[in-house]
Amino acid sequence: NAGVTQTPKFQVLKTGQSMTLQCAQDMNHEYMSWYRQDPGMGLRLIHYSVGAGITDQGEVPNGYNVSRSTTEDFPLRLLSAAPSQTSVYFCASSRPGLGGEQFFGPGTRLTVL
Amino acid sequence: AQTVTQSQPEMSVQEAETVTLSCTYDTSESDYYLFWYKQPPSRQMILVIRQEAYKQQNATENRFSVNFQKAAKSFSLKISDSQLGDAAMYFCAYRTNAGKSTFGDGTTLTVKP
Repeated sequence: NAGVTQTPKFQVLKTGQSMTLQCAQDMNHEYMSWYRQDPGMGLRLIHYSVGAGITDQGEVPNGYNVSRSTTEDFPLRLLSAAPSQTSVYFCASSRPGLGGEQFFGPGTRLTVL
Repeated sequence: AQTVTQSQPEMSVQEAETVTLSCTYDTSESDYYLFWYKQPPSRQMILVIRQEAYKQQNATENRFSVNFQKAAKSFSLKISDSQLGDAAMYFCAYRTNAGKSTFGDGTTLTVKP
């Protein structure tokens, strides 16, 4: 199993550009989440999904869109990139239930100029 | 909203000694899970240990154990016989039944040889 994969690993954008961060998992996990991690800080939840067709907002959703058309994929779209969105982005998946361990992807380092 | 506070931005420990990392959280829910994750310089998030809120017995995983005080909303991590490979940033996290996770800002642990 590849686990959770994210592409790209690195990305540089100009202010106003849009892009999609890809996330896929092959563990048949129903729950998937997107986080951002700013320097010296913890992970903050952007959006999450408890199954195909179901998404909800996290702590910092503004400027991001998500959709979940399949169990495997959970792309994150930046609509109009801003320098404040410079961060490392992590995708995670888990099985349902409180105790489901989250499996994290390797992260995408995004810089917005 | 749930909050997770890690009051020690940095900690250091001598190799083979014991260190305790602190975490407090705020919630009005009775059913939840608590986690400790390790993030080495590679950025990969690694689960260290988890605790079910309705279990009074403290979780243990080899050299890692927790002191869970539900009434005080405290969840500290004890690392025994510290090893050089334990050096990393450690995050405390809270997870709701709906699958939403909240992370603390982390504690950077240095292990001195």
